Amino acid sequence: DQQVKQNSPSLSVQEGRISILNCDYTNSMFDYFLWYKKYPAEGPTFLISISSIKDKNEDGRFTVFLNKSAKHLSLHIVPSQPGDSAVYFCAARRYGNKLVFGAGTILRVKS
Amino acid sequence: EAGVTQSPTHLIKTRGQQATLRCSPISGHTSVYWYQQALGLGLQFLLWYDEGEERNRGNFPPRFSGRQFPNYSSELNVNALELEDSALYLCASSLGTVSGNTIYFGEGSWLTVV
Repeated sequence: DQQVKQNSPSLSVQEGRISILNCDYTNSMFDYFLWYKKYPAEGPTFLISISSIKDKNEDGRFTVFLNKSAKHLSLHIVPSQPGDSAVYFCAARRYGNKLVFGAGTILRVKS
Repeated sequence: EAGVTQSPTHLIKTRGQQATLRCSPISGHTSVYWYQQALGLGLQFLLWYDEGEERNRGNFPPRFSGRQFPNYSSELNVNALELEDSALYLCASSLGTVSGNTIYFGEGSWLTVV
């Protein structure tokens, strides 16, 4: 039962352009969403989060958008840099429950 | 401040043996989570402990078990190891169970079963 889906296994973007990573979820009880970045052989690193009471959260080059009616969130990285190349995981949780992850999207930023 | 620490970094075991992985959460964090990332797969939820109790477990066989100690550190035990148990095992911690609490990951323990 995949409650969190990242339908794009990979994404390739030119340096300096915008990277948009998408995530869909099915459980309307989720109230907190997070994005993690993971390099090979390392643990995931927290990037940015958003509560279900908001529709946008920004942190530097990273912005997360939440569309609750569509059960969709996205991560925008502007401008993209080669060091952003990694696997990006979308995750969601509801109060008192475990974090559920998507399968991840490999982002490649070409210089 | 120290992050989530895991040991050992690498572990090689043979089929049928037992493996024990350890995790120390960020100071002040009471919740500890274990995830498995097998080669080419996403993060699969294994176990979640909070305040010393198991709160939830993922769809893994009983061979996978763990515990949380009074100091909130945790152990993951895998009995009767099988080849497909070879994976990166990630521990994470958070401040309690409130949804708004971000969870932070350790660097992981690589388990190789031969």
